[in-house]
Amino acid sequence: EPEVTQTPSHQVTQMGQEVILRCVPISNHLYFYWYRQILGQKVEFLVSFYNNEISEKSEIFDDQFSVERPDGSNFTLKIRSTKLEDSAMYFCASRKSDWAGDTQYFGPGTRLTVL
Amino acid sequence: LAKTTQPISMDSYEGQEVNITCSHNNIATNDYITWYQQFPSQGPRFIIQGYKTKVTNEVASLFIPADRKSSTLSLPRVSLSDTAVYYCLVGLYSGNTGKLIFGQGTTLQVKP
Repeated sequence: EPEVTQTPSHQVTQMGQEVILRCVPISNHLYFYWYRQILGQKVEFLVSFYNNEISEKSEIFDDQFSVERPDGSNFTLKIRSTKLEDSAMYFCASRKSDWAGDTQYFGPGTRLTVL
Repeated sequence: LAKTTQPISMDSYEGQEVNITCSHNNIATNDYITWYQQFPSQGPRFIIQGYKTKVTNEVASLFIPADRKSSTLSLPRVSLSDTAVYYCLVGLYSGNTGKLIFGQGTTLQVKP
């Protein structure tokens, strides 16, 4: 069964450093998402991406964040200058179409630890 | 996006059937009802989705009454590995962007 994959599974970085989290969505999916989950809290939406454009972003997704689909398979989330409060699990998700009954599938996540 | 209400936590024992009910009084005509499962430090995993009546797959059943203002996720004969957080989402997709809005979910604890 096709699945969303993410690398790395765990990333440790120093405050102020740039990190890039990578995702490979399911191959025939067209809609892509990033979410994050701070330990013990809810899963929060960060950004949605379709047709090489951001379609929606949350207030969390400020100028320090960016997303890119550099080729036909990868989808990346970059944090330019990490802060302690960016420590969280980051989940990538993808979906085939915008039909209401189409399911969104999540990757296993990247645990980001900012020291 | 329809607001959902589900119990914060539930306990069960191995081998029992577990039913988790979700209320969604403001469900819209074209909304689907979707349930996800999440284990600690893992991504949400799709369990089941339905629009009306009953849906069953290899993992669970979803019961939706005619008025669609609630739904019940049924997990047959749970095991310890079913201990997880279960999320009910309705009106899954906000606008055309498809963002998901997660609540706190129901934390199911299965005991031996």
